[in-house]
Amino acid sequence: AQKITQTQPGMFVQEKEAVTLDCTYDTSDPSYGLFWYKQPSSGEMIFLIYQGSYDQQNATEGRYSLNFQKARKSANLVISASQLGDSAMYFCAMRDPSSNYKLTFGKGTLLTVNP
Amino acid sequence: DSGVTQTPKHLITATGQRVTLRCSPRSGDLSVYWYQQSLDQGLQFLIQYYNGEERAKGNILERFSAQQFPDLHSELNLSSLELGDSALYFCASSVDDSNYQPQHFGDGTRLSIL
Repeated sequence: AQKITQTQPGMFVQEKEAVTLDCTYDTSDPSYGLFWYKQPSSGEMIFLIYQGSYDQQNATEGRYSLNFQKARKSANLVISASQLGDSAMYFCAMRDPSSNYKLTFGKGTLLTVNP
Repeated sequence: DSGVTQTPKHLITATGQRVTLRCSPRSGDLSVYWYQQSLDQGLQFLIQYYNGEERAKGNILERFSAQQFPDLHSELNLSSLELGDSALYFCASSVDDSNYQPQHFGDGTRLSIL
């Protein structure tokens, strides 16, 4: 089974609206970390936000927030007030002991923000 | 700017050749990771070093090798190159190798095999 599943290959959103990018994960370890990265068309990988498995509150970082539902094993990224510069590929990733602590990535979601 | 420096940015070479990709981690980061990103395989973890020692291995071919030097910079060596090795190669670094530390990525080296 895939460890990280991103079911939306592509998403469209209007500028200034909010958008949710889905991510579900699979692990039996109680201790793990979840990460979101942004990859613009220029190719670089930009770290956005992190959520630890023991964190009680959902992570937030500026316009980015993580909707962490541990029982459902989901860690959706919410981008508020979308901007044209948010158009990019977004990757969800997880790090856990059973993967020997390597970062395992989902296949990504391509977000397009329309003016 | 992530603080991770990768050189060169682009590399074009021929099959059968050997190349070296270089990575300088963020100041203070002890752990260095190498990833390969291709259209068909997505982002794949290759190898990790922590403070000079190999810590974890992923889907790294035997033709590939890496090392981390005492000054913590790292090099990824790719030899006997094949067309399928064309990809974007990322280096990332983190303070340590715990679950809770984000990995910060360099801008990548785009390798094209002709």
